[in-house]
Parts: sequence; structure tokens; C-alpha cells
Amino acid sequence: NAGVTQTPKFRILKIGQSMTLQCTQDMNHNYMYWYRQDPGMGLKLIYYSVGAGITDKGEVPNGYNVSRSTTEDFPLRLELAAPSQTSVYFCASSYSSRTGGLGNQPQHFGDGTRLSIL
Amino acid sequence: AQSVAQPEDQVNVAEGNPLTVKCTYSVSGNPYLFWYVQYPNRGLQFLLKYITGDNLVKGSYGFEAEFNKSQTSFHLKKPSALVSDSALYFCAVSPNTGGFKTIFGAGTRLFVKA
Repeated sequence: NAGVTQTPKFRILKIGQSMTLQCTQDMNHNYMYWYRQDPGMGLKLIYYSVGAGITDKGEVPNGYNVSRSTTEDFPLRLELAAPSQTSVYFCASSYSSRTGGLGNQPQHFGDGTRLSIL
Repeated sequence: AQSVAQPEDQVNVAEGNPLTVKCTYSVSGNPYLFWYVQYPNRGLQFLLKYITGDNLVKGSYGFEAEFNKSQTSFHLKKPSALVSDSALYFCAVSPNTGGFKTIFGAGTRLFVKA
């Protein structure tokens, strides 16, 4: 199993450009997440999805969009990139079921996309 | 508001000595508790979790964590530190009611000196 795969690993964007960060997982997890990690700030949840066709906003959704057309893929779209979006972006997935207890399984993370906007 | 606190930005310890990385939380109910480790240029990796039962849980790489309900703490420990344990450690809490979103602490950098 490859786990959670993110592409690209690095990217430099100009202000106002747009791009899509790709994320795919091969563990058949129903839940997927996008986080951004800024120095000393831990992880902030951008968007999450509880299954194909279902997405919802996290703590810091402004300037981003997501879609979840399949169980495996959860791309993150940046529209009109701004310097404040310079960060490291992590995609994660987990399995949760109501019978097992929501949120009691660990999340599996990709290795991140390091994005600089100049 | 629900929160997770890791009061130390950095913990320094000599190789072979025991280590403790602290975590306290403010979350209602009986949440699920996790520790993750992050090595440079990598994503977070799961170390261990507490769901219910014994207050001392054992995880990967010789790490363990002690849950204290009265102090709402979940400190990470290891009896004998290795230089290779040097990394960034995150405590995370997942409320078991009203949703599944995980709250992460800001992280503690562990530096183990040879």
C-alpha cells in the first residue's frame, strides 16, 4: 500500500495564479482531510470529507475549494493565490464508523506539498 | 472552546535519559487521545492512542503515554531516549460526541543530545 500520496511535493506560484493540489489514498478510507501547517501553529483544518460526494468546511476554508468524486481522491484547489497561503499542505485519511465510534481511528498523512506564493 | 495545549515548544534530553512531552486538553466528555510524530519533510505518523481502559498505553518505537482524567493530561513518555527520537511531536484530541474533527496541539520539538 502506498498510503496517502500527495503531488506535487513543491511548488512556487505567483500571486493571483491558481493550482490544484492532488491527494489520493489506497486504503479505502471514508474520511479525508486537508490541513495547512504553519510554523508553531500546529495543523489547521481547511476542508474535510466524510465520503464521496460529501465535503464540508473546516477552520480556515477561505480561498480554497475541494471536491470528492471518488473514495480515493480529494483534490484541493487554490483560486487566486495570495502570500498568506504560503504554507505546507497535508492531506490525511481515516476510517470511521458509527459502530466503531466516530473519530477513534488515527489519521494517515501524506508527506505534504510545500507551497510558496510570491 | 475546545483546545489542546503543549506547554513546551522544545524539550531537550540526553540520550539514554527518560523523556516526557506534555499535553493537556480542554474537551468535553471522554475524548479520544492521540500522539503523532513528524520527521523533517514528512507527514505526521501515528504513535499511539487512548480510547478507554488502562491509563498507560504503549505505542510504536518504545513510546508510551499516561492518561490522567482528573488533570485532563496525556503526557508522552519514553524510558530511554535515542538521538533518532529527535522530531516534532503532536498531541491530538478527537471529541467522541457531536462530530469527529481532531484538534491538534501546536507541537513540541524534541531534541536528544548524544
